[in-house]
Amino acid sequence: EDKVVQSPLSLVVHEGDTVTLNCSYEVTNFRSLLWYKQEKKAPTFLFMLTSSGIEKKSGRLSSILDKKELFSILNITATQTGDSAVYLCAVKLFYNTDKLIFGTGTRLQVFP
Amino acid sequence: DTEVTQTPKHLVMGMTNKKSLKCEQHMGHRAMYWYKQKAKKPPELMFVYSYEKLSINESVPSRFSPECPNSSLLNLHLHALQPEDSALYLCASSHPTSGGAVDPGELFFGEGSRLTVL
Repeated sequence: EDKVVQSPLSLVVHEGDTVTLNCSYEVTNFRSLLWYKQEKKAPTFLFMLTSSGIEKKSGRLSSILDKKELFSILNITATQTGDSAVYLCAVKLFYNTDKLIFGTGTRLQVFP
Repeated sequence: DTEVTQTPKHLVMGMTNKKSLKCEQHMGHRAMYWYKQKAKKPPELMFVYSYEKLSINESVPSRFSPECPNSSLLNLHLHALQPEDSALYLCASSHPTSGGAVDPGELFFGEGSRLTVL
């Protein structure tokens, strides 16, 4: 059975801290790994990773994929209260069409 | 236009009612998805349409009936639902895979329809 697991489930930090969120997967027909941020409703896209070892960066957020060890990390530096959200990792599987399977999510709370 | 629009935003229905959720996108995407999300849980895939044809049904009960009348619209018809079906229903769209090596990219999500079944 395809499985995507995130850790930690929950994280509470103070503004300015750096956090690392983890995502590991065991799936067949891996195509790519995506990170989303969900605050109240729609998940919003952060990164898509298809190749190992190539860091993707956007402002204070960065992410990298290790296809040999089957995991990805999402780093957030100098956290702000606006970073408080659920961070979802999702793996895209390739069959005759694309299928996106979400991980359990990490709930991040950033306090001033 | 990079929006996926879902209506209604909120829906309350009884177990004997028939209702529909609607989703619309104008990004030229030919793959559309329905996800179900319970509180404090990740989204769970229900259906995938590719080029207006149903390509994935994740063993969803028949009281949920999807429909894709054209490349911009996706509906979810609801009938004889149970209270445990109460959830946030998310629609998403993307470029479809063409079977090639190039990943067609991310899914764009709508804000969801929050359904309560009494």
